[in-house]
Amino acid sequence: DVKVTQSSRYLVKRTGEKVFLECVQDMDHENMFWYRQDPGLGLRLIYFSYDVKMKEKGDIPEGYSVSREKKERFSLILESASTNQTSMYLCASALGGRGGGSPLHFGNGTRLTVT
Amino acid sequence: AQSVSQHNHHVILSEAASLELGCNYSYGGTVNLFWYVQYPGQHLQLLLKYFSGDPLVKGIKGFEAEFIKSKFSFNLRKPSVQWSDTAEYFCAVTSGTYKYIFGTGTRLKVLA
Repeated sequence: DVKVTQSSRYLVKRTGEKVFLECVQDMDHENMFWYRQDPGLGLRLIYFSYDVKMKEKGDIPEGYSVSREKKERFSLILESASTNQTSMYLCASALGGRGGGSPLHFGNGTRLTVT
Repeated sequence: AQSVSQHNHHVILSEAASLELGCNYSYGGTVNLFWYVQYPGQHLQLLLKYFSGDPLVKGIKGFEAEFIKSKFSFNLRKPSVQWSDTAEYFCAVTSGTYKYIFGTGTRLKVLA
């Protein structure tokens, strides 16, 4: 069974801090994703990566960056946290190929509060 | 731009009632369609998926969905809901890219 592990379940950070959210998957998936989940807005894609060191912007990349130095690890970085980045952050992975149509496997999420 | 609409934001049902959650997408080409479920305090998990073939897809826990290409719809159904089906349900679509588009979700509450 695929396991996607997010390093923190809850985080509280101050405005202006640099924040790192870590995600590791154990199934050798090519594709990895970062979403944020907000009530009434569903899931919105921040960034995704289809290979090591490869990344593409999603719908809401402003204020975020990502790093994928190893296949199993995908990090989300908030360069200077702001209160409007308070949210639930979800990491997901999926097999490559199929034109991107493989099901996503999600981690448990990190609930980030920026004060 | 592609989009996914889930018109029912909140649904409240009694146990044993039938369920149908609507999902419409806006894309004219070939699509892959998914329903995900998020039980309280748990991670999102796949309920069922459609890639091709039989438009009636069966998933876990007695759920099914029907792909109607002419209506750009992929509605989720269950003949008789249980209290344990209380969750948030998300429809998602991808169309030959790595970009998965999610609907805004439907919160289902089943009364015992």
